[in-house]
Amino acid sequence: AQSVTQLGSHVSVSEGALVLLRCNYSSSVPPYLFWYVQYPNQGLQLLLKYTSAATLVKGINGFEAEFKKSETSFHLTKPSAHMRDAAEYFCAVSGRITGGSQGNLIFGKGTKLSVKP
Amino acid sequence: EAGVTQSPTHLIKTRGQQATLRCSPISGHTSVYWYQQALGLGLQFLLWYDEGEERNRGNFPPRFSGRQFPNYSSELNVNALELEDSALYLCASSSYAGTGDLETQYFGPGTRLLVL
Repeated sequence: AQSVTQLGSHVSVSEGALVLLRCNYSSSVPPYLFWYVQYPNQGLQLLLKYTSAATLVKGINGFEAEFKKSETSFHLTKPSAHMRDAAEYFCAVSGRITGGSQGNLIFGKGTKLSVKP
Repeated sequence: EAGVTQSPTHLIKTRGQQATLRCSPISGHTSVYWYQQALGLGLQFLLWYDEGEERNRGNFPPRFSGRQFPNYSSELNVNALELEDSALYLCASSSYAGTGDLETQYFGPGTRLLVL
């Protein structure tokens, strides 16, 4: 079975500071991992995904994440926060069904990012 | 390219009534997923349809049901509404290779259901 843990339900940073949002996963098979962002009153937008091709994954809006198998982590970072980054961020792992086909996403509980001017 | 669309954007019902939520996937996508985002409970998987068939189901009672039409659009039905069904219901779509390849899920804006 797969699961995701996001450490910290709220993270606050100053504009221009480093953003680090933590995600640890549990999976009995090689995982497919995702980060999504949700702006207020909107659906989810894909930031980036881990496809096993490269451990450092670059996404949209300057975000990137590094897959570390030894630490079962997939933390999201951005070197310099902008006010527009204020949103809720979700880490997800893809569930797997018989035969290895990709199934539904299993989400962490989310981390709300606040950016102070 | 049009994204995933959902209707209605908001829905208000009373306890015991039925709610019907609709989703149109991205053109070319055959898989549709439904998720519930309830306050304090996070995002939980409800149902997955592909090629008109239910592929997987989350841990929800049978009064949550749905179907997928030949044009791949989907409907989520919630019968005998309870107060705790109040939530944002998100639909996502993806192409489905069935081979284990990574298929990204793209989400719609959601339907906010309020049960009074």
